[in-house]
Amino acid sequence: QSVLTQPPSVSAAPGQKVTISCSGSSSNIGNNYVSWYQQLPGTAPKLLIYDNNKRPSGIPDRFSGSKSGTSVTLDITGLQTGDEADYYCGTWDSSLTTVVFGGGTKLTVL
Amino acid sequence: QITLKESGPTLVKPTQTLTLTCTFSGFSLSTSAVGVGWIRQPPGKALEWLTLIYWNADKRFRPSLKSRLTITKDTSKNQVVLTMTNMDPVDTATYFCARTSGRGSFDIWGQGTMVTVSS
Repeated sequence: QSVLTQPPSVSAAPGQKVTISCSGSSSNIGNNYVSWYQQLPGTAPKLLIYDNNKRPSGIPDRFSGSKSGTSVTLDITGLQTGDEADYYCGTWDSSLTTVVFGGGTKLTVL
Repeated sequence: QITLKESGPTLVKPTQTLTLTCTFSGFSLSTSAVGVGWIRQPPGKALEWLTLIYWNADKRFRPSLKSRLTITKDTSKNQVVLTMTNMDPVDTATYFCARTSGRGSFDIWGQGTMVTVSS
């Protein structure tokens, strides 16, 4: 059971928008910066979003993050088949004094 | 260009000690706020953070595994070494090392190395 809760799967058609949620508590998301990672099949995770809503260089603006209270969301617009991957949220948990990840969400582009 | 690469055994026996090395380039582990962490992923399962060492040698550990984990750095060799004792089949996973430059995000990841624990 992960500390951060994500839906196991989401799906949408090419060109559409999808939102992936990640919920936690005041000890993690509520008081710390959150990151999002994309893991394509058979590859290492890749940083998509950091500090809740910032994109590293090279990440297209189709990917955006937002935070409200103890939850964060990752929006992906203009879906492409190449976006099919597992997506993980992650942050620091001040009570556990550990890095925590969500259980991951598998995105299917229909 | 920043790269990290994990190396070590692919197969260990139960009760043995696992030693993995993360060799990196393109950054220094003596730079303020920089750290290197280890994260693992059992087959078909989610990411699980294990441990982290910072530029100032400060360390953090997953509480449930703290007694089994050791992390060290060799700044001159650009290496971070993870040691995990008393390996069990449930520790079978792909082990990743990754860089953090603060605030909990891992911006660059190694390719990962699969470790199987089996007799």
